[in-house]
Amino acid sequence: AQSVTQLDSQVPVFEEAPVELRCNYSSSVSVYLFWYVQYPNQGLQLLLKYLSGSTLVKGINGFEAEFNKSQTSFHLRKPSVHISDTAEYFCAVSDPDNYGQNFVFGPGTRLSVLP
Amino acid sequence: DTAVSQTPKYLVTQMGNDKSIKCEQNLGHDTMYWYKQDSKKFLKIMFSYNNKELIINETVPNRFSPKSPDKAHLNLHINSLELGDSAVYFCASSLWTGEIHNSPLHFGNGTRLTVT
Repeated sequence: AQSVTQLDSQVPVFEEAPVELRCNYSSSVSVYLFWYVQYPNQGLQLLLKYLSGSTLVKGINGFEAEFNKSQTSFHLRKPSVHISDTAEYFCAVSDPDNYGQNFVFGPGTRLSVLP
Repeated sequence: DTAVSQTPKYLVTQMGNDKSIKCEQNLGHDTMYWYKQDSKKFLKIMFSYNNKELIINETVPNRFSPKSPDKAHLNLHINSLELGDSAVYFCASSLWTGEIHNSPLHFGNGTRLTVT
């Protein structure tokens, strides 16, 4: 079964500093990868996705992620964070070939942007 | 024009009661899900329906019964509520194209269930 690891449960960072949120997944077969953001008291919102093609994926709100197949990683980055980026971030993996086995989520990383 | 809507947003009830949460999507998706998010924010899938057919049924007490009257709706009924059922329940939907799934999940805003 697929599993997703987010090594950092909490990441505090000062405003306008760069940030990287780490995500590793267990599968060595083809996967689809996603990052979702959850603001307080809201549902999850898609930030970006990797299905195929370029390994550098750009998403909303200035975020980007890089797919590294050899390291089975999909780290999320932003060069300069804002207070409004404070939220919970979830990495998720989907197996495109395994009908019904979908969307395993990591435990989440709480990003706190400090003034 | 909400894409995935679930009601109610908050649900406070006593142990032993029966309650339902409703979910509707207007995205034209054919697959709908229920996820449970615990107090530590961990998301765990409970059920998934594709075109009204149950395709994922994780280890969930049989007090939880999903019902999909059509592919735009997936409701969750919970019998004999227990304290441990307190959590946020998220409905989500996605689209399968043929045998390949490449559509991300679209989530509702969640239902915070508190059992006292």
